[in-house]
Order: sequence, then C-alpha cells, then structure tokens
Amino acid sequence: KNEVEQSPQNLTAQEGEFITINCSYSVGISALHWLQQHPGGGIVSLFMLSSGKKKHGRLIATINIQEKHSSLHITASHPRDSAVYICAVRADSNYQLIWGAGTKLIIKP
Amino acid sequence: KAGVTQTPRYLIKTRGQQVTLSCSPISGHRSVSWYQQTPGQGLQFLFEYFSETQRNKGNFPGRFSGRQFSNSRSEMNVSTLELGDSALYLCASSLRSSGNYNEQFFGPGTRLTVL
Repeated sequence: KNEVEQSPQNLTAQEGEFITINCSYSVGISALHWLQQHPGGGIVSLFMLSSGKKKHGRLIATINIQEKHSSLHITASHPRDSAVYICAVRADSNYQLIWGAGTKLIIKP
Repeated sequence: KAGVTQTPRYLIKTRGQQVTLSCSPISGHRSVSWYQQTPGQGLQFLFEYFSETQRNKGNFPGRFSGRQFSNSRSEMNVSTLELGDSALYLCASSLRSSGNYNEQFFGPGTRLTVL
C-alpha cells in the first residue's frame, strides 16, 4: 500500500461544479503540500499545511491530522483549472517528500 | 524575483552516455532538491542539497549523483544512461533545508529522452 493515496485518480466535471480531491496518508508528517502540474510539466505549489484550513481564491485546502486526511476543494471550477493535482507529505522521520500519484482533473466548458 | 531555472529544457541521449542537468534556485534559497517524474512511477525523490552538502538521498542507483556549488546552483549527473532513465527531471528550491517547515518552488523541468 502506498504511503500517500489520492482519490479519485481521474475526475471530469462541468464548468462551475464544486470539486473535491482527497489525500490520505499513513506516515507521521510535519507538513502536507498540494501542488498543481499543467500539461507542460511545470509544478506550482498551491498550499502547504500542517493543520486546519487554508484558502486562496477559489481553492481551499483542509487537513485533519488525527484522521491523516486532507482535501483540496475548487469552487466555481473553470476549464483553466484542468491539471494534475498532487498531494505530497513531508515525513517527519526523514523529512523526505512522499508523493501521491496525482489526480487528473478535466473541467469541460 | 526570478524563479527556479533549469537547463537544458529538453535533451536526447543514447544508452550508455552520460548527462548533466543544471538547476539555478531562487536567489537566496540554499536548498535544492531533485525529483524524477515518470508516467509509471510518478514523482520520486532523488536527493537534496543544502549549503553544498547532500542532506538526503532517495533510492536511486549510484549512477545518479549531484552536487551543489557555493552560489547554491546545483547539477545532477546520470552516467551510463538506460532507457528507463527517460523522464522529466524537476528541481525545487527552498529557503531552508527539508528539516524545516518551508515551501518548495519548482523549476520547469528537463525532459530527458534516452534512445
């Protein structure tokens, strides 16, 4: 079993829909990252969390440390949100980043 | 502030050759991490350098090596290339080492194709 599991693997939605991507992990962590990767390959860091909730524009990230679970939400989704969203955790045993497999999101106009 | 830059952006090599990739971090950042991304394996950690010292290393063979210079620029080298080394190689910089809670900023990557 992977130490970081994301669901769903693929998600297709209509413009305007509310999107939720989930991330579960099994190791102790010092931080959790949500990143976005567009087809060209560039990765952009969206959030870094160690507790609670963060909001940036239409994006919201939450983390529940006890349940070892995080969610990324996108409100009023738009075709430009189409990308792969990756969850990564910083393991507190060796400080390495452990990556989820990513969720490929397609928003149709 | 300029972002993380990686050169070259694209590279084609043949089996058995060696390759050197370069990463220039954001000015002031002292930590550089390298990752390999392949369709089948996703993102995998290669190594991290901080203040010219390797601080962390992933599970890759000795053919993969790196170094960091006094200006924080980093290079990674892959010797005796194999077909399976074809991947997107990403570098990320951060202000402090990975042991501290800090954000990483990614470069655009170098796409290596081994024929």
